[in-house]
Amino acid sequence: GDSVTQMEGPVTLSEEAFLTINCTYTATGYPSLFWYVQYPGEGLQLLLKATKADDKGSNKGFEATYRKETTSFHLEKGSVQVSDSAVYFCALSPRRGSARQLTFGSGTQLTVLP
Amino acid sequence: EAQVTQNPRYLITVTGKKLTVTCSQNMNHEYMSWYRQDPGLGLRQIYYSMNVEVTDKGDVPEGYKVSRKEKRNFPLILESPSPNQTSLYFCASRLGSEGEQYFGPGTRLTVT
Repeated sequence: GDSVTQMEGPVTLSEEAFLTINCTYTATGYPSLFWYVQYPGEGLQLLLKATKADDKGSNKGFEATYRKETTSFHLEKGSVQVSDSAVYFCALSPRRGSARQLTFGSGTQLTVLP
Repeated sequence: EAQVTQNPRYLITVTGKKLTVTCSQNMNHEYMSWYRQDPGLGLRQIYYSMNVEVTDKGDVPEGYKVSRKEKRNFPLILESPSPNQTSLYFCASRLGSEGEQYFGPGTRLTVT
C-alpha cells in the first residue's frame, strides 16, 4: 500500500538557518503530494502541494518539488523564523478519482531558536 | 467562516463507557474523515465517508464506528473504549477527491 517516510526529528535550528525536511513516498500511479503544518494546540493546515511530477509547491517561503524519479518531496526554506516552530507532515493522496484519503508521514518537530 | 468543529476538545473517560465525538463542517463538503494522531506514527485514518450514508474503513477502524446521516455531520463512536484508544483525534473534510483537506482542532481523549 501507499506509504510516506519522513526524516526523524526533532530538528532544532537557529533563526535564519536553512531548513530541509526529507520526505519520500511509495505509491502506485501518480499521487498528489502535500506538506501540512501543525502549530501547538491546533489542527493541521495545508502548507503547500504539488499534483504532478516536477511541480513545485510554495507558500510562506517554503518550497517542495515533486520528484518522481526519486519519489521525493523534500521541504525547504531558506531562512527560518521562530514562528516556523511546528510539526510538519508530508502526505500523499492517491491517484485522481480515488476516494481514499490522505496517507501521512510520522511528522517532524521543528524548533527554531532566536 | 469556513471551518470544521469537533466536540469535546478534551475528554477523560473509563474503559467500557460508550462515548461519541462530534464533527461538523459548514462547507458543504462531500468527503469527511477521522484520523488519530499518536507519537511517532503520524496521522492514521480511522474511517472516511464519501457522502451521506456512504462510509468505509481506513487503516485503523477496529473499535470505532461512524455514521453519516447528514452531509455536515460525521460523529465518531467508541462503543467500548479501551486504554489503547487514548489518542488525539482529528476530523477533516474536503470538497471532492482532489480538494484541499480542512482539519478540525482535535479532540484529546484519555481512556483509563
